Formats: sequence, C-alpha cells, structure tokens
Amino acid sequence: DAKTTQPTSMDCAEGRAANLPCNHSTISGNEYVYWYRQIHSQGPQYIIHGLKNNETNEMASLIITEDRKSSTLILPHATLRDTAVYYCIVSDSNFGNEKLTFGTGTRLTIIP
Amino acid sequence: DAGITQSPRHKVTETGTPVTLRCHQTENHRYMYWYRQDPGHGLRLIHYSYGVKDTDKGEVSDGYSVSRSKTEDFLLTLESATSSQTSVYFCAIRGGSSGANVLTFGAGSRLTVL
Repeated sequence: DAKTTQPTSMDCAEGRAANLPCNHSTISGNEYVYWYRQIHSQGPQYIIHGLKNNETNEMASLIITEDRKSSTLILPHATLRDTAVYYCIVSDSNFGNEKLTFGTGTRLTIIP
Repeated sequence: DAGITQSPRHKVTETGTPVTLRCHQTENHRYMYWYRQDPGHGLRLIHYSYGVKDTDKGEVSDGYSVSRSKTEDFLLTLESATSSQTSVYFCAIRGGSSGANVLTFGAGSRLTVL
C-alpha cells in the first residue's frame, strides 16, 4: 500500500530547474518526507528531507505544502549527471522502528 | 559511502545452491538493512537488523535468512537459490553524516541464478 505517488517519468532541459512532484495525502503529523535518487545501477543516494518547513541544501530544495499532502523536489540547475530515478518516501522519526518503503520513483531524464 | 562494503559484487550461481552475501560497515551503526531491486518493483525490504542477533523480516523475506553476529557484518543467505532470486541486492545502514534517520546504501551485489 503505497504511501506516496510520483509520476513515472519526466524530462527536463539541461540548465533548467527540475521540479519533481510527490503526493503523500495520508502523511501523519510525525512523518518526514525524504528524497533519494539512484543513478544508473548505483545504490540510492540521500538528497534531502523535511517535516513541514521548506528545506535547502547543496543538492536541492524541498518545498512542502502547508497541508503537507504534497511536496516538490527542486534541482535548480539540472545537469546531465542529474539523470536518475528519484524516490519520495515518508517515514516517522521513531528511530529504527519504521521500515522505509521505496516505490518505483520518477525517472528523470535531463535533455542536452 | 559511510564505510559500507558489499561482497561479492557479482555472482552467478545455479539453482539449488546456497549463497551468502555479506555487508560490512566500519562505523558501528546499529541498524542495517537488506533490499532487493527488480525492474518494475523499486526497492523492497528483505530483512533488517537493529542490533547484534536482533533481526526482523521485511516485505519479501521468504527464501532468505540473515545473521548478525557482530555489529559490523550483516549476512544475507539464500539457502537454496532459485531463479526468482536473480536480482540486485543492496545493503544499507541507518545514520551517518546526513542524519540519524537517513539510509546510506552500499554499491550493490548483482546475483544471477541460472
């Protein structure tokens, strides 16, 4: 029973901002939103996470709606190396007691 | 990569043979996980461990067993490999420089069962 819904695939032009949406309408108050990405056949890589406030780090920005039912990952200036599968996950902060569930994610292709 | 090493990285075996995949970490993390990844299914949790000799099942645990006799090693065993277990297996630890609840993954082990 998926807790998040993401588009199967998206394209973005190189140098433009890539905006990846995620719906998590059943998110509960203590659940965080996490984003990971997987480049080709490598292991997934953590990008960013947040609870209710928008977050930014050196890789991306995370915008969470006020009702927390959806979020958007923003890669501000996409490069060809950002081509990957992006996973949006929700999980509570109870350390170690939850089992993160990865769906099939969004396959982002950066177009030269 | 938080000091995670998976071995072997590639293995081809025959149906019915036992296979053990090893995940080794160097940073004393308590929680370790085994996932498998197949086309169209994303990542699925097989087993996880929350301490030495403390393990629990994930969503696709049938046909797999695990052991954790010391903090740094988490072993995944296929007692009698089947073709349906052909997959890429990822180990992960919980914690590291990105945060206590963040998963850091190994490079993966590609298993082919003929």
